[in-house]
Amino acid sequence: EVQLVESGGGLVKPGGSLRLSCAASGFTFSNAWMSWVRQAPGKGLEWVGRIKSKTDGGTTDYAAPVKGRFTISRDDSKNTLYLQMNSLKTEDTAVYYCTTVKSGSFNYWGQGTLVTVSS
Amino acid sequence: QSALTQPASVSGSPGQSITISCTGTSSDVGGYNYVSWYQQHPGKAPKLMIYEVSNRPSGVSNRFSGSKSGNTASLTISGLQAEDEADYYCSSYTSSSTWVFGGGTKLTVL
Repeated sequence: EVQLVESGGGLVKPGGSLRLSCAASGFTFSNAWMSWVRQAPGKGLEWVGRIKSKTDGGTTDYAAPVKGRFTISRDDSKNTLYLQMNSLKTEDTAVYYCTTVKSGSFNYWGQGTLVTVSS
Repeated sequence: QSALTQPASVSGSPGQSITISCTGTSSDVGGYNYVSWYQQHPGKAPKLMIYEVSNRPSGVSNRFSGSKSGNTASLTISGLQAEDEADYYCSSYTSSSTWVFGGGTKLTVL
């Protein structure tokens, strides 16, 4: 059974940093493309970024609002995905979901972790 | 990249069929067959319902179907059931190697 478990969310001040983790199990993590998707309170889904598998180059792409501030990385030895978030803004407040990417879609989702950016 | 356009809400009675539209541009919906649909119940994570325009993942009811014409994709739910009441989001891969979501549609089963 595929499981994605996010952690690391919490309250942070504007301008601060936070690192989210996503522990994966039930599939071959090293072969998977992975993504982060967020959802602000009461709002819709917003794609944050994606990292390819190392065999496909391991490259990353990001949504415009987070480019240059957020960094996605992976540790295939630990089956873990990361999202390093710097220079956080109040508008980054959201539940952050870790997802697998296959056939252009987000096929498995974690339960999400809440990030609140507030002074 | 602007969000894809979905109606804010749709409704239908049990047993009826409803269709949710998702309009983008030639740089996303119209340019790729990587259109997908997600169902989200309150307080829950989204669930993939349709991928590559019209394919259903294993375990998803065949009451859910997808299609695309030009820059507009559609999700049809037939034989509406009470448990179908949820928010639905479309998504598309884009020419910028990114993804974009629709604003979401709230389905009410009357």
